[in-house]
Amino acid sequence: GAVVSQHPSRVICKSGTSVKIECRSLDFQATTMFWYRQFPKQSLMLMATSNEGSKATYEQGVEKDKFLINHASLTLSTLTVTSAHPEDSSFYICSASQLAGGNEQFFGPGTRLTVL
Amino acid sequence: GENVEQHPSTLSVQEGDSAVIKCTYSDSASNYFPWYKQELGKGPQLIIDIRSNVGEKKDQRIAVTLNKTAKHFSLHITETQPEDSAVYFCAAIPGTASKLTFGTGTRLQVTL
Repeated sequence: GAVVSQHPSRVICKSGTSVKIECRSLDFQATTMFWYRQFPKQSLMLMATSNEGSKATYEQGVEKDKFLINHASLTLSTLTVTSAHPEDSSFYICSASQLAGGNEQFFGPGTRLTVL
Repeated sequence: GENVEQHPSTLSVQEGDSAVIKCTYSDSASNYFPWYKQELGKGPQLIIDIRSNVGEKKDQRIAVTLNKTAKHFSLHITETQPEDSAVYFCAAIPGTASKLTFGTGTRLQVTL
């Protein structure tokens, strides 16, 4: 149980285009989902926290208009990187919690974004 | 906010030996401490966790200990195998929040 999927697993895009990444909880309802970014050989950096049906809470330094997050249902959250640039190339990982304010987070397999 | 420090950054052990990774945290209100294993190109996988009302937890070859007074917790892997090679992250969640604060990671290499 507690499986989280992400799609796509890899994406290559041209500079200036937008990319959407989906995160799904397959066998549980996720009231809270988290989006992380990880650069090579570094730890995970939290970008934002999203609760179903409400606006995401972004971490300091993360541009809301550049990283659009939607959590429209209890099993799906999306991250859209708008007007992507090479510096946005990274490994994006989502996680989900089963209960509001619950502790355990289950992570997706990640999405490798490369912006040319 | 919470700050989690993790040591060592790299660890090389021979197959069959034990490996120990240590983390310290700053927020005394933290009450949940998970450990994640991340293989190359994959997302983190929860391998064991401990809550602040427990001092030690074991699951086969993996154990975690927590010292609330000293605010540190450790991951112990016994009888290491080559498939244990990965990056391990500790994390903590303060009592009033749901956000994980991660350590900097430990790259474990198990050699034959």
